[in-house]
Order: sequence, then structure tokens, then C-alpha cells
Amino acid sequence: GQSLEQPSEVTAVEGAIVQINCTYQTSGFYGLSWYQQHDGGAPTFLSYNALDGLEETGRFSSFLSRSDSYGYLLLQELQMKDSASYFCAVRVPIYNQGGKLIFGQGTELSVKP
Amino acid sequence: DGGITQSPKYLFRKEGQNVTLSCEQNLNHDAMYWYRQDPGQGLRLIYYSQIVNDFQKGDIAEGYSVSREKKESFPLTVTSAQKNPTAFYLCASSIRTLREKLFFGSGTQLSVL
Repeated sequence: GQSLEQPSEVTAVEGAIVQINCTYQTSGFYGLSWYQQHDGGAPTFLSYNALDGLEETGRFSSFLSRSDSYGYLLLQELQMKDSASYFCAVRVPIYNQGGKLIFGQGTELSVKP
Repeated sequence: DGGITQSPKYLFRKEGQNVTLSCEQNLNHDAMYWYRQDPGQGLRLIYYSQIVNDFQKGDIAEGYSVSREKKESFPLTVTSAQKNPTAFYLCASSIRTLREKLFFGSGTQLSVL
């Protein structure tokens, strides 16, 4: 089967740094993505890692270790508007069909003043 | 502005009724997807389509049907065979060469009367 594990909740204070971890067990792997979803809204794409290492996009960074089947999303200088759910997602191969994206259960981040 | 439009935002289904959720995109994306999200849960793939007149079942296709007669449109029908249809339904699209980056519509909340 395919599974992605991430913490269900994380709480941090404004201005702090928070790390959201994701471990995966999948039959095949193309890359790890991260999405943000505010309550009742549409998920929005944050980042994608196909290779090991750190990708930085402004206050957000994402890391991948393929050998450990592990990645994380790092949020710096937290702001109240960062309160949302964060999902990791893995694209797994399907024969002759380009693969499909499967999602973790999501981590609800609460940023306190 | 390009984007994905889902309608209606809220939909109510009676017992034994089929209902159709609309999804239209003007991003010129080849691939389109339907996901289901239950409260506090991740996204589960219902159906996806990589090209016009072709679509594949995702992980939870039972009780659902789709069509892809036009590149811009990917409607989802929730049939009476789907016994637990209450959920938030999200349509998404992507370019074929970067399926990790999905663009989502604003979703349809389906409830059973």
C-alpha cells in the first residue's frame, strides 16, 4: 500500500520557525510536494522536491531525503496568516499513465500571537 | 485571469438521486483530477484524465462517473450508488510535464438531505 505520515497538529508563535515532517512508504516515487489549505478553501501549491536537498522559496523551504523516505516543510518568521493545514503529497508511478498524486492526512498549523 | 471554476459551491442530494458537479478550466492544461476531502482528512483521488476522451479510476472511484469531452471541462457525477457522498469535492488540473503542481478550484460541498 501507499502511506504518508505527518503530524496532525503543530502550534507555534508568531515570528518563530516551525518544521512539518512527512515520511512516506510508496511503491515508486517521483517527488514530494507540499500544499497549503486555509479552512474551507482550495489547496495551493507551495513547493516540490524531486532530488535530495533543500529548496527555498521566500519564508518557506522544503527538504527531501530519498534514502530516508523523508521530507519536511520549514516555515520561518511565522505570521498569523500561516495558520492553515499543510499537506505533503507524493507522485507515484502508474504504468503508462504518468503517475498519480497521493496526499498525506494533513498537519493543522496554529500560529499564536 | 486563468483558473479553475467549480460549481455549485454547495449542493444537496436526495436519496436515490444522481448529481453532477461542474469543473471548467481555462489554463489550457491537459490533465484534470477529482479529489474528495472528508473533514480533517487528506485528499483522495476519485478520477483523473490526462487527455480528452480518456480518463482513469483513482483510489475511490466506486459510485462516481466522469466524462472528458472537452479539454476545458471535467464534470463529476455522484451516483445513487455512492452511499456516503457527503464531502468536499475538489477539482484540479496540471500540465502533463509537472503533475506535482496541481491548480485547484474552490470546491463543492455536497451534503445529503
